[in-house]
Amino acid sequence: ETGVTQSPTHLIKTRGQQVTLRCSSQSGHNTVSWYQQALGQGPQFIFQYYREEENGRGNFPPRFSGLQFPNYSSELNVNALELDDSALYLCASSLQGLSYEQYFGPGTRLTVT
Amino acid sequence: RKEVEQDPGPFNVPEGATVAFNCTYSNSASQSFFWYRQDCRKEPKLLMSVYSSGNEDGRFTAQLNRASQYISLLIRDSKLSDSATYLCVVVPDRGSTLGRLYFGRGTQLTVWP
Repeated sequence: ETGVTQSPTHLIKTRGQQVTLRCSSQSGHNTVSWYQQALGQGPQFIFQYYREEENGRGNFPPRFSGLQFPNYSSELNVNALELDDSALYLCASSLQGLSYEQYFGPGTRLTVT
Repeated sequence: RKEVEQDPGPFNVPEGATVAFNCTYSNSASQSFFWYRQDCRKEPKLLMSVYSSGNEDGRFTAQLNRASQYISLLIRDSKLSDSATYLCVVVPDRGSTLGRLYFGRGTQLTVWP
């Protein structure tokens, strides 16, 4: 096990609603990255957080936002949910400077109806 | 053009077979390369890094061809437990502080008895 935890495991929301997903990073890791994995696709980078600030963003609209807390845990918030937001959301923790060595949590499976 | 292109398969092979996966990447300046394994409805897990000189880990051999910008993974003597999706991963910059991972869509492997 990587030591990265995510909650909830599964979530069902309706279009237009808002959702918050949570991630606790591996002990000692100060960087958290979030990825979206649609069915049949590889994970796509959403953004990364380091020192409580966004440290790079992929091609996702502003309704995807995040936070990182002093204990390095992180939240992903998605507003105005759309059907295409249905996916597995993965967080990965790492050490800044070694950010290519990322350890993934089990993911949150979001279904938007 | 996608950063990482991968044949999605599926590959269906008998136990004991040798199977090879390839992927190509578009950014010639990319420096770090990996293969991840993802079991059904689970998180991706690092299988092995890929070096220009090639590297081997038991039944698994990974190769990098910089001139052609492709990466390969060879699995010898396939086991039932090798059934999974194999994801090709590229990091654009050496020592990137961002550490954004670019994933291929994955190649699905099923090993049958």
